[in-house]
Amino acid sequence: ETGVTQTPRHLVMGMTNKKSLKCEQHLGHNAMYWYKQSAKKPLELMFVYNFKEQTENNSVPSRFSPECPNSSHLFLHLHTLQPEDSALYLCASSLRAAGGAPNSPLHFGNGTRLTVT
Amino acid sequence: GDSVTQMEGPVTLSEEAFLTINCTYTATGYPSLFWYVQYPGEGLQLLLKATKADDKGSNKGFEATYRKETTSFHLEKGSVQVSDSAVYFCALSAPGGAGSYQLTFGKGTKLSVIP
Repeated sequence: ETGVTQTPRHLVMGMTNKKSLKCEQHLGHNAMYWYKQSAKKPLELMFVYNFKEQTENNSVPSRFSPECPNSSHLFLHLHTLQPEDSALYLCASSLRAAGGAPNSPLHFGNGTRLTVT
Repeated sequence: GDSVTQMEGPVTLSEEAFLTINCTYTATGYPSLFWYVQYPGEGLQLLLKATKADDKGSNKGFEATYRKETTSFHLEKGSVQVSDSAVYFCALSAPGGAGSYQLTFGKGTKLSVIP
């Protein structure tokens, strides 16, 4: 049990589908993140939320739409994706939005393996 | 900008062998350094950290020393086990503006330990 739960674990979708990824944290943290993990590439930070407010968007295409209704839940809405969007999508949380601070480390979920056909 | 360079994998070792995974970094200022581990089918977990020069982080038999003079943070373990098979990520964190921190990851090094 990591304290950060992601669903679904696996998702296969066509390029015209609309789907959503869900993340929930039970750690009492105030900041939540979406990362993309592709083979042979560094982790890519996509979005950061602090107290439900988006504080960072790393030039992510609009076909990815995040939503953070409260500090415990984070969604990633997907529509008209491309095959190159296939990857492992990781959610993380931290006590404070300074998620790289030494006293506020990231806690990751197990990820959603997304395949776009 | 800041960057982290890890040795290319995969690394394959026999059980009880000595492990070193090299990590060097480029950063302005005084970053904090981390090793994260990702076991098969799971997300990343913080393994250890060091916040200033000459600090040694340690956990589960793994160690890494923050070497400012060589800008390195190599991960070591004296005797690996099959259960250590995972992908290891070196990362650095440097303060940005307004109290924010930028966390930069390396590409990861896959370790396989065979019985």
